[in-house]
Amino acid sequence: QKEVEQDPGPLSVPEGAIVSLNCTYSNSAFQYFMWYRQYSRKGPELLMYTYSSGNKEDGRFTAQVDKSSKYISLFIRDSQPSDSATYLCAMSVASGTYKYIFGTGTRLKVLA
Amino acid sequence: KAGVTQTPRYLIKTRGQQVTLSCSPISGHRSVSWYQQTPGQGLQFLFEYFSETQRNKGNFPGRFSGRQFSNSRSEMNVSTLELGDSALYLCASSLGGTAGSEAFFGQGTRLT
Repeated sequence: QKEVEQDPGPLSVPEGAIVSLNCTYSNSAFQYFMWYRQYSRKGPELLMYTYSSGNKEDGRFTAQVDKSSKYISLFIRDSQPSDSATYLCAMSVASGTYKYIFGTGTRLKVLA
Repeated sequence: KAGVTQTPRYLIKTRGQQVTLSCSPISGHRSVSWYQQTPGQGLQFLFEYFSETQRNKGNFPGRFSGRQFSNSRSEMNVSTLELGDSALYLCASSLGGTAGSEAFFGQGTRLT
Protein backbone atom coordinates (compact mmCIF):
# COMPACT_ATOMS: atom_id res chain seq x y z
CA GLN A 1 0.00 0.00 0.00
CA LYS A 2 1.35 3.44 -0.91
CA GLU A 3 1.81 6.04 1.81
CA VAL A 4 -0.23 8.54 -0.19
CA GLU A 5 -3.16 7.55 -2.38
CA GLN A 6 -4.67 9.77 -5.02
CA ASP A 7 -7.26 8.97 -7.66
CA PRO A 8 -5.53 9.39 -11.05
CA GLY A 9 -8.69 10.48 -12.86
CA PRO A 10 -9.11 11.86 -15.44
CA LEU A 11 -11.75 14.11 -13.95
CA SER A 12 -13.79 16.10 -16.47
CA VAL A 13 -15.99 18.98 -15.34
CA PRO A 14 -17.81 21.83 -17.11
CA GLU A 15 -16.46 25.36 -16.82
CA GLY A 16 -17.67 27.07 -13.66
CA ALA A 17 -18.05 23.85 -11.66
CA ILE A 18 -16.63 23.31 -8.19
CA VAL A 19 -13.87 20.72 -8.31
CA SER A 20 -12.95 18.50 -5.39
CA LEU A 21 -9.59 16.72 -5.41
CA ASN A 22 -8.59 14.36 -2.62
CA CYS A 23 -5.74 12.39 -1.14
CA THR A 24 -5.61 9.87 1.66
CA TYR A 25 -2.50 8.89 3.55
CA SER A 26 -1.38 6.29 6.03
CA ASN A 27 1.48 7.95 7.94
CA SER A 28 0.08 9.81 10.95
CA ALA A 29 3.42 11.65 11.31
CA PHE A 30 2.72 13.84 8.29
CA GLN A 31 2.34 17.45 9.38
CA TYR A 32 2.91 19.50 6.24
CA PHE A 33 0.53 19.23 3.30
CA MET A 34 0.90 20.75 -0.14
CA TRP A 35 -0.93 20.87 -3.42
CA TYR A 36 0.90 21.36 -6.68
CA ARG A 37 -0.42 21.95 -10.17
CA GLN A 38 1.54 20.54 -13.09
CA TYR A 39 0.91 21.40 -16.71
CA SER A 40 2.09 19.03 -19.40
CA ARG A 41 5.87 19.04 -19.80
CA LYS A 42 6.33 21.60 -17.01
CA GLY A 43 7.53 21.44 -13.42
CA PRO A 44 5.02 21.34 -10.53
CA GLU A 45 3.79 24.73 -9.33
CA LEU A 46 3.01 25.18 -5.63
CA LEU A 47 -0.65 26.10 -5.09
CA MET A 48 -1.32 25.59 -1.41
CA TYR A 49 0.75 24.87 1.67
CA THR A 50 -0.78 24.00 5.03
CA TYR A 51 0.50 22.87 8.38
CA SER A 52 -1.47 20.39 10.50
CA SER A 53 -5.26 20.34 10.36
CA GLY A 54 -7.71 22.99 9.19
CA ASN A 55 -8.65 25.01 6.14
CA LYS A 56 -6.74 27.50 4.06
CA GLU A 57 -8.18 29.66 1.32
CA ASP A 58 -6.39 31.47 -1.49
CA GLY A 59 -8.55 32.99 -4.19
CA ARG A 60 -10.52 30.24 -5.90
CA PHE A 61 -8.59 27.52 -4.06
CA THR A 62 -9.37 26.04 -0.64
CA ALA A 63 -7.24 23.36 1.00
CA GLN A 64 -8.62 21.21 3.80
CA VAL A 65 -6.72 18.86 6.08
CA ASP A 66 -8.44 16.31 8.31
CA LYS A 67 -5.69 14.56 10.23
CA SER A 68 -8.12 12.41 12.20
CA SER A 69 -9.29 10.83 8.95
CA LYS A 70 -5.89 11.12 7.23
CA TYR A 71 -7.58 12.91 4.35
CA ILE A 72 -6.79 16.13 2.51
CA SER A 73 -8.77 17.97 -0.12
CA LEU A 74 -8.34 20.77 -2.61
CA PHE A 75 -11.43 22.63 -3.80
CA ILE A 76 -11.40 24.80 -6.91
CA ARG A 77 -14.31 27.20 -7.28
CA ASP A 78 -15.49 28.60 -10.60
CA SER A 79 -13.19 26.26 -12.51
CA GLN A 80 -11.69 27.53 -15.75
CA PRO A 81 -10.29 25.70 -18.80
CA SER A 82 -6.89 27.05 -17.73
CA ASP A 83 -7.19 24.92 -14.58
CA SER A 84 -6.86 21.81 -16.76
CA ALA A 85 -3.71 20.14 -15.45
CA THR A 86 -2.51 17.37 -13.17
CA TYR A 87 -2.89 18.12 -9.46
CA LEU A 88 -0.43 16.53 -7.07
CA CYS A 89 -0.74 16.30 -3.32
CA ALA A 90 2.44 16.11 -1.27
CA MET A 91 3.19 15.75 2.42
CA SER A 92 6.07 15.54 4.84
CA VAL A 93 6.75 14.82 8.48
CA ALA A 94 7.91 17.49 10.91
CA SER A 95 11.09 15.90 12.15
CA GLY A 96 13.66 17.80 10.12
CA THR A 97 13.45 15.66 7.05
CA TYR A 98 12.76 17.35 3.75
CA LYS A 99 11.50 14.29 1.96
CA TYR A 100 8.15 15.01 0.39
CA ILE A 101 5.89 12.08 -0.42
CA PHE A 102 3.74 12.71 -3.47
CA GLY A 103 0.48 11.27 -4.66
CA THR A 104 0.46 10.05 -8.24
CA GLY A 105 -1.62 13.04 -9.33
CA THR A 106 -5.18 13.60 -10.59
CA ARG A 107 -5.66 14.74 -14.18
CA LEU A 108 -8.31 17.45 -14.38
CA LYS A 109 -10.05 18.63 -17.55
CA VAL A 110 -12.28 21.68 -17.40
CA LEU A 111 -14.48 21.81 -20.47
CA ALA A 112 -15.42 25.17 -22.00
CA LYS B 1 12.82 37.07 -8.33
CA ALA B 2 14.25 34.32 -10.54
CA GLY B 3 12.85 30.84 -10.06
CA VAL B 4 14.58 27.49 -9.94
CA THR B 5 16.69 26.91 -13.03
CA GLN B 6 17.53 23.45 -14.31
CA THR B 7 19.90 22.70 -17.14
CA PRO B 8 19.84 21.18 -19.60
CA ARG B 9 16.12 20.89 -20.35
CA TYR B 10 16.53 17.79 -22.50
CA LEU B 11 19.13 15.05 -22.70
CA ILE B 12 19.40 11.99 -24.90
CA LYS B 13 21.85 9.33 -23.77
CA THR B 14 22.55 5.68 -24.43
CA ARG B 15 22.68 2.85 -21.94
CA GLY B 16 25.90 2.74 -19.98
CA GLN B 17 26.67 6.43 -20.31
CA GLN B 18 26.88 8.93 -17.48
CA VAL B 19 24.94 12.16 -17.12
CA THR B 20 25.17 15.28 -14.94
CA LEU B 21 22.20 17.55 -14.32
CA SER B 22 22.38 21.01 -12.79
CA CYS B 23 20.03 22.98 -10.56
CA SER B 24 20.29 26.62 -9.46
CA PRO B 25 17.91 27.33 -6.56
CA ILE B 26 16.02 30.51 -5.81
CA SER B 27 18.33 33.17 -4.39
CA GLY B 28 18.55 32.78 -0.62
CA HIS B 29 17.35 29.19 -0.62
CA ARG B 30 19.82 26.77 0.90
CA SER B 31 18.02 23.46 0.42
CA VAL B 32 17.87 21.59 -2.87
CA SER B 33 15.97 18.34 -3.32
CA TRP B 34 15.92 16.08 -6.34
CA TYR B 35 13.01 13.98 -7.59
CA GLN B 36 12.49 11.51 -10.40
CA GLN B 37 9.11 11.61 -12.13
CA THR B 38 7.89 8.73 -14.28
CA PRO B 39 4.38 7.91 -15.52
CA GLY B 40 4.26 4.69 -13.53
CA GLN B 41 5.80 5.77 -10.22
CA GLY B 42 5.02 9.48 -10.07
CA LEU B 43 7.43 11.72 -8.17
CA GLN B 44 9.99 9.88 -6.11
CA PHE B 45 12.47 11.50 -3.77
CA LEU B 46 16.14 11.05 -4.64
CA PHE B 47 18.03 13.17 -2.09
CA GLU B 48 18.19 16.54 -0.39
CA TYR B 49 21.14 18.84 0.22
CA PHE B 50 21.47 21.68 2.66
CA SER B 51 24.61 23.77 3.10
CA GLU B 52 26.63 21.31 0.98
CA THR B 53 25.59 18.31 3.11
CA GLN B 54 23.26 15.51 2.09
CA ARG B 55 20.55 15.45 4.76
CA ASN B 56 18.23 12.82 3.34
CA LYS B 57 18.34 10.10 0.74
CA GLY B 58 15.64 8.12 -1.02
CA ASN B 59 15.64 4.49 -2.08
CA PHE B 60 17.68 4.73 -5.25
CA PRO B 61 20.82 2.78 -6.15
CA GLY B 62 24.28 4.25 -5.66
CA ARG B 63 24.45 5.10 -9.37
CA PHE B 64 22.49 8.19 -8.42
CA SER B 65 24.58 10.75 -6.59
CA GLY B 66 24.58 14.46 -6.01
CA ARG B 67 26.42 17.33 -4.50
CA GLN B 68 25.87 20.93 -3.54
CA PHE B 69 28.25 23.82 -3.88
CA SER B 70 28.84 26.73 -1.54
CA ASN B 71 26.54 28.96 -3.64
CA SER B 72 23.73 26.37 -3.10
CA ARG B 73 23.77 25.23 -6.72
CA SER B 74 23.42 21.49 -6.96
CA GLU B 75 24.33 18.79 -9.42
CA MET B 76 22.96 15.30 -9.79
CA ASN B 77 24.91 12.55 -11.47
CA VAL B 78 23.69 9.24 -12.82
CA SER B 79 26.36 6.75 -13.82
CA THR B 80 25.97 3.67 -15.99
CA LEU B 81 22.59 4.69 -17.32
CA GLU B 82 19.86 2.08 -17.63
CA LEU B 83 16.75 2.20 -19.80
CA GLY B 84 14.60 2.62 -16.69
CA ASP B 85 16.38 5.87 -15.86
CA SER B 86 14.41 7.65 -18.58
CA ALA B 87 12.36 10.19 -16.66
CA LEU B 88 11.78 13.82 -15.85
CA TYR B 89 14.26 14.87 -13.18
CA LEU B 90 13.05 17.72 -11.03
CA CYS B 91 14.81 19.77 -8.43
CA ALA B 92 13.06 21.73 -5.72
CA SER B 93 14.45 24.65 -3.78
CA SER B 94 13.41 25.76 -0.30
CA LEU B 95 14.71 27.93 2.50
CA GLY B 96 15.44 24.76 4.40
CA GLY B 97 15.65 26.30 7.85
CA THR B 98 12.73 24.37 9.30
CA ALA B 99 11.15 21.09 8.39
CA GLY B 100 8.45 21.26 5.77
CA SER B 101 9.27 24.69 4.35
CA GLU B 102 7.67 25.37 0.97
CA ALA B 103 9.41 23.76 -1.96
CA PHE B 104 9.47 25.35 -5.41
CA PHE B 105 10.24 23.26 -8.45
CA GLY B 106 12.18 23.92 -11.60
CA GLN B 107 10.98 22.94 -15.09
CA GLY B 108 12.93 19.71 -14.97
CA THR B 109 15.39 17.91 -17.18
CA ARG B 110 13.89 15.25 -19.42
CA LEU B 111 16.31 12.38 -19.79
CA THR B 112 15.72 9.89 -22.56
